[in-house]
Amino acid sequence: QVQLQESGPGELKPSETLSLTCTVSGGSISDFYWTWIRQPPGKGLEWIGHIYYTGSAHYNPSLRSRVTMSIDTSKNQFSLRLNSVTAADTAVYYCATSGGYCGGDCLPFWGQGSLVSVSS
Amino acid sequence: QSVLTQPSSASGTPGQTVTISCSGTTSNIGRNTVNWYQQLPGTAPKLLIYSNHLRPSGVPDRFSGSKSGTSASLAISGLQSGDEADYYCAAWDDSLNGLYAFGTGTKVTVL
Repeated sequence: QVQLQESGPGELKPSETLSLTCTVSGGSISDFYWTWIRQPPGKGLEWIGHIYYTGSAHYNPSLRSRVTMSIDTSKNQFSLRLNSVTAADTAVYYCATSGGYCGGDCLPFWGQGSLVSVSS
Repeated sequence: QSVLTQPSSASGTPGQTVTISCSGTTSNIGRNTVNWYQQLPGTAPKLLIYSNHLRPSGVPDRFSGSKSGTSASLAISGLQSGDEADYYCAAWDDSLNGLYAFGTGTKVTVL
């Protein structure tokens, strides 16, 4: 059973860069797509993007100009960087994956989430 | 702003059936499968239904999904207090170079 755990700073100032890492256990990262999703307080879910184990990434068009994802197969980790954050980027950030389930079109495996607050 | 529209709330008494709709377009639900997620307060979302109507292992058969055209629905029968949660539909959207779109979310309240 794949397990995921997000880690990273919980507080940022406007214009700084958000950096989060997701550590994968119970399975190899060298397959499947690895996804980031966020949820502002009291609001709905937003897909940020995903990265394949080869390093090929695909981002939400609304965030594409500020997002970079990377993957480190030697550490079984993948990461998210979001530049020039504002208060609107305050959210719980989740990492997730299909783990090969449902042909990759669904997300049965999620981390517990990491709250990132942006405030001056 | 989500491309999948859900009612903001739904409610029922214990034992009743609650149905949640998810309205999309030919770019998403019309051509791709629909998944449903349940989010209990303070927790990560949990996959409830995938490929329109299939249940992952461990999900009770009280939860059922269906899809027709550009809309989908989730039915919760035999409503229980533990079903009180937010529910989100989701589907790939093939417009704008593609993205995994979540619905606006529906808060289910057990009266």
